[in-house]
Amino acid sequence: QLQLQESGPGLVKPSETLSLTCSVSGGSISSGSFYWGWIRQPPGRGLEWIGSTYYSGSAYYNPSLKSRATISVDTSNNQFFLKLSSVTAADTAVYYCARHSPYPADDYGWGNWGQGTLLTVSS
Amino acid sequence: EIVLTQSPGTLSLSPGERATLFCRASQNVRSNYLAWYQQKPGQPPRLLIYGASSRATGIPDRFSGSGSGTDFSLTISRLEPEDFAVYYCQQSGSSPQTFGQGTKMEIK
Repeated sequence: QLQLQESGPGLVKPSETLSLTCSVSGGSISSGSFYWGWIRQPPGRGLEWIGSTYYSGSAYYNPSLKSRATISVDTSNNQFFLKLSSVTAADTAVYYCARHSPYPADDYGWGNWGQGTLLTVSS
Repeated sequence: EIVLTQSPGTLSLSPGERATLFCRASQNVRSNYLAWYQQKPGQPPRLLIYGASSRATGIPDRFSGSGSGTDFSLTISRLEPEDFAVYYCQQSGSSPQTFGQGTKMEIK
């Protein structure tokens, strides 16, 4: 059974760069055509797509983040990563990693999620 | 960017009743790449419906989706106690993919 697990520092100071890791078990990042992504949810609010990547390393981002986000992949350790630079209090959120099916006829959506990790931006 | 507007913001119903939730897009959603998710407190979202009307694996048949273009709906035919949660629609037909603001379904 596929499992995703986020890990990160929990607290980051304003203007610093946050780094999060998603560790995948029960399946290989490099198998199939799935894409892997990050989605965040500020406390008490809705969901925002941050970006997605394929195991090849090509990545796509939400323009609202103004090029602050970078997603990368380590297939040898079955992990992918999010870096978000120049953080502010507005970046405080629960950050989820997730997997998206590539097949329009087969559960085409974010079908597998981690439990999420709360990241707080504060001095 | 496609903006998804969900209505109502809150829906107060009793177990056994029928629920209909709406999602309106600011532009046509390409190929009906519209999904619905359920989220309970402290949990990640759960994929319910994809392609506007197809149930995801393991989702009970009391959940159904319909619509096309800019207007979509999610119907729960008979509410079970575990269905009281927040529901989000999401489009992935155009980048950036976007989510609606959510509809909270609460017990009346």
